[in-house]
Parts: sequence; C-alpha cells; structure tokens
Amino acid sequence: QDQLLESGGGVVRPGRSLRLSCAASGFSFSNYALHWVRQAPGKGLFWVASISYDGSKRYYADSVKGRFTISRDNSKNTLSLQMNSLRTEDTALYYCARELIGAQGTFFDSWGQGTLVSVSS
Amino acid sequence: SYELTQPPSVSVSPGQTASITCSGDKLGEMYAGWYQQKPGQSPVLVIYRDTERPSGIPERFSGSNSGNTATLTIRGTQAMDEADYYCQAWDTSTSCVFGTGTRVTVL
Repeated sequence: QDQLLESGGGVVRPGRSLRLSCAASGFSFSNYALHWVRQAPGKGLFWVASISYDGSKRYYADSVKGRFTISRDNSKNTLSLQMNSLRTEDTALYYCARELIGAQGTFFDSWGQGTLVSVSS
Repeated sequence: SYELTQPPSVSVSPGQTASITCSGDKLGEMYAGWYQQKPGQSPVLVIYRDTERPSGIPERFSGSNSGNTATLTIRGTQAMDEADYYCQAWDTSTSCVFGTGTRVTVL
C-alpha cells in the first residue's frame, strides 16, 4: 500500500543545517505533488513547503522562505527538505504528505509517520 | 496572513452529533478539508473539497462550507472519534493554512 517514510531528523544547534528525506513506495511517485507539514510539540499543524509532481513549482511558508529548500528525485522516489539557518522555533515533528490528485483544491491524502527535529543550544 | 479559527474543544455524548466550526474570511469561496489526528498518530483526511469523503471514511462524517464558516459534522459519534480535528484550506497566495484545531471529547 501507499507508504511515506521520513528520516533525517535529530538534535541540532541554532544556525546549523539539517536535511530531511522522505522515501515513497506503493504508488506512482512522479504523478503526485508533495508537501512538508510540521507540528511543534503539543501544537497544531503548520504547512512548510510544497513541490509539484515534476519539481517545476515550489512554494514555501513565509517563515521558512530563504532558509528551507524542497526538492525531489523522481528516479529514486524521494522527497527532501534542506533546512538551513535553523531556529529554535523550527523544532517540530516534520511530516511528508502526498497531495490528493484531482480534488479541486489542495488536500493531503497520505502522510508519513514524521521525523523529529529539535533545535536547541 | 490568512487565519482559520476553530473552537479549542467540543464535547459530545456517544451517539449524539458533534459539530466543529472553522472560521475564516470568505472561506466559502475556497475549498475546505478536515483531518482527524489521534494521539501519537499522523493526521488522516476525513473530508475534502468541502463535502467529499475519502474511501474508508465512515458516512457519519460530513462537511459543509458557506460564507465565512466550514463545518465538520459527526453524526452518531463513537468513542473512536475522540481526536483532534483540523480544518485546512489553500488561500490565493499559494499558501496552505490549517485551522487552530479542535479536541473532540466523547463523554
């Protein structure tokens, strides 16, 4: 069945970098737009970034624009998030999410289990 | 930036109807979705495009969206429906927004 598996989380100092990955299986990866969504401990969901099915369009939340870069490798069924200049407020569980196709609107029909990023001095 | 506001909590008795609202400026002009998140689990899409249910989601879940308010309704609420619920929309500035979240307690 459809599966998204995140990795790459960890503990990092403020100002440093981290790269998250999301390995997909069970569906035609190159047909889907993908997103990163995060959830700070005990808080709500926050959309971080998205990338179109072919990688040609990328969008970011204002708070991460210029610091984070979303990318994908359709030959390896992998989504990535390069996070630079990390801040304590970036501490969260980061989910990889698949966009529902043909829904007239953007919705997420499959989610990974998340990878935890902790930014602390 | 665009904001979606939900009540922090809703309580419902088993078998009764729970209604969760999501308020945002001209929300009815966008498509809204709803996610269920149980403790320690990833979110699950329960309603998309205002009223549509993904396969596998029980018929007791329904949605509506008009004016400035989207509503998720759970009819015949069961203990398994106890969870956090988030609304979501995509605004015109190519940005996704989630609501503040509502904890549904089945008493």
